Order: sequence, then structure tokens, then C-alpha cells
Amino acid sequence: DQQVKQNSPSLSVQEGRISILNCDYTNSMFDYFLWYKKYPAEGPTFLISISSIKDKNEDGRFTVFLNKSAKHLSLHIVPSQPGDSAVYFCAASAGEYGNKLVFGAGTILRVKS
Amino acid sequence: NAGVTQTPKFRVLKTGQSMTLLCAQDMNHEYMYWYRQDPGMGLRLIHYSVGEGTTAKGEVPDGYNVSRLKKQNFLLGLESAAPSQTSVYFCASSYGQGLVLGQPQHFGDGTRLSIL
Repeated sequence: DQQVKQNSPSLSVQEGRISILNCDYTNSMFDYFLWYKKYPAEGPTFLISISSIKDKNEDGRFTVFLNKSAKHLSLHIVPSQPGDSAVYFCAASAGEYGNKLVFGAGTILRVKS
Repeated sequence: NAGVTQTPKFRVLKTGQSMTLLCAQDMNHEYMYWYRQDPGMGLRLIHYSVGEGTTAKGEVPDGYNVSRLKKQNFLLGLESAAPSQTSVYFCASSYGQGLVLGQPQHFGDGTRLSIL
């Protein structure tokens, strides 16, 4: 049973508009959440994270929102740029398990110019 | 600064052959990890290490062994390769309590392994 789910395999957005990527989790022990970005033939690179004590974290064009009651988080990219086209992975960790991350299956984002 | 380096980048094996994937990091990280990524699935943790000389099982450890003889290196071994082990393998590293301190895992560029 997947503990971290990204239900949208792909998303297409026009340049300049907002991209919203969603992630749901089932394990209530998760207390730290991360987004990674991956280009073809490269490894994932860290994008942004959020602790369960917060409901929002912002870094430039990227904002992550966490809704603990719904066990849902989302990544907002505003404005979207063609260089943002990549696979985005949501990941979660439970404090009890330290650094062991559980990843979602990923969402392919295509930003059209 | 190379970060996390994986060798080789590509390999084709026959069923039953053995091989070792090498991961090296130059960031003086305590923790190192091996993941596999399969189509339609996220990265799954195979084994990890919290320091030199230590290893532990992750989510999908069967068929793999690991060793961490030096702090900067983490080796993943396949003793008898099976077609089900065809995958892309990623190595990562992080500081000791990486997530608690907000320090994420840093990944290599992967090894694409095909087993015929």
C-alpha cells in the first residue's frame, strides 16, 4: 500500500501561469515533507520542505502547503517557467525513522511557452 | 565539488551474474542510502548506512548487499542478478540528522542497470 500518493501522473501548464502539484499521504506519523525535482538522466534535487508544525513554507517562486487534517500537501510554482518542466516527487519522513524517506510516484510537469 | 558520484552509469548483466555499484560522496556526510526507481513508482529505499561500518535494511533489501568500509563510499552488491532487479539505482547522502536540521538528501545521477 502506497503511503505517499501523487495521483496526477502529469500536468501541463502555460508559461507564466501557476502550477499546482498535489500529494496525499496515509501515515499519520509522517512529520516532515519534501519536494524533489528531477530532470531526465539526472538524480533528484531538493526543492523545498516543510515540517508538520507549519502549514506553509515559501522559497521564491515555490510554496508548499500542508493540510495535516486532510493528510495533503501541495506545491505551487508561480510563475511557471519552461525550465520548471521536470518530474516532481513528493517525499515524507516520520521522525521515529529519522532520514528514511518514502516517495510518491512523481508527477511530470510540462510548462509550455 | 562533485557531490555524489555513482559508477558505472550504465550496465547490462546476464541473469545470475554479480556486480557492485559504487557510490562516493565528498561532502563528509554521515548518512548514505541506496534507492531503486521503477516505472510508475517512486524511489524505494534498498539499504542505508548511518555511519562508517554500519548498514541497515530499507524497504526492499532482498537480493542486495551493501558495505560502508569508508565514510565516503557506499557499495551496493548484487550477488546473483535477476531480471526483477532491472531498474535505475540512485545513491544519496545526508548529514547525520539531516531532516531534523533541514538538510536534505543529495542524490547522484543514477546507474541504469538492465538484467537479461
